[in-house]
Amino acid sequence: ILNVEQSPQSLHVQEGDSTNFTCSFPSSNFYALHWYRWETAKSPEALFVMTLNGDEKKKGRISATLNTKEGYSYLYIKGSQPEDSATYLCASPGLTFGQGTILTVHP
Amino acid sequence: EPEVTQTPSHQVTQMGQEVILRCVPISNHLYFYWYRQILGQKVEFLVSFYNNEISEKSEIFDDQFSVERPDGSNFTLKIRSTKLEDSAMYFCARSIYRENSPLHFGNGTRLTVT
Repeated sequence: ILNVEQSPQSLHVQEGDSTNFTCSFPSSNFYALHWYRWETAKSPEALFVMTLNGDEKKKGRISATLNTKEGYSYLYIKGSQPEDSATYLCASPGLTFGQGTILTVHP
Repeated sequence: EPEVTQTPSHQVTQMGQEVILRCVPISNHLYFYWYRQILGQKVEFLVSFYNNEISEKSEIFDDQFSVERPDGSNFTLKIRSTKLEDSAMYFCARSIYRENSPLHFGNGTRLTVT
């Protein structure tokens, strides 16, 4: 199972700021890229499953893009709210998870 | 959508003891997985299970681990002889398809080996 890397490791933003973070993955043998949100004391919750190069998905203020040729995906949060504070995980080939980006949104 | 139910929520055991972690997924999902997260580390894949057989396993999933679906409903992870380093949060997950459908996770079992 090959490595999935996420950056940054943690991020602190103010309420109302827009933010984004990165997931990079091996582009060979690509099948799908998953994004999950993991709040403290809860289980990871699926945000997006992306399969096509150039794919862009949106769920409320959260959106994601996918570049399978260069092996990266971006997750964007527009107008961050304190309730967006969570760890954001991506997973790809073989459903290997990255280490996550911990987002803290300060009121 | 119904959640995946995991029991127990917390298990404390002594080193060398066997533990069985249980997961009850809904019946029309074909793929089942076990993941774990050691405190402060990344979520690690252990094993995937399809059609009552292991379809993939990681190097973590050595001979002390086993999975089964004994009654067609419960999905269990057994650790035969626990070690201190097995202390972690263990998550069961299910999905309809192998990789292009989302994973639905249970709430996890926190295993503490003393």
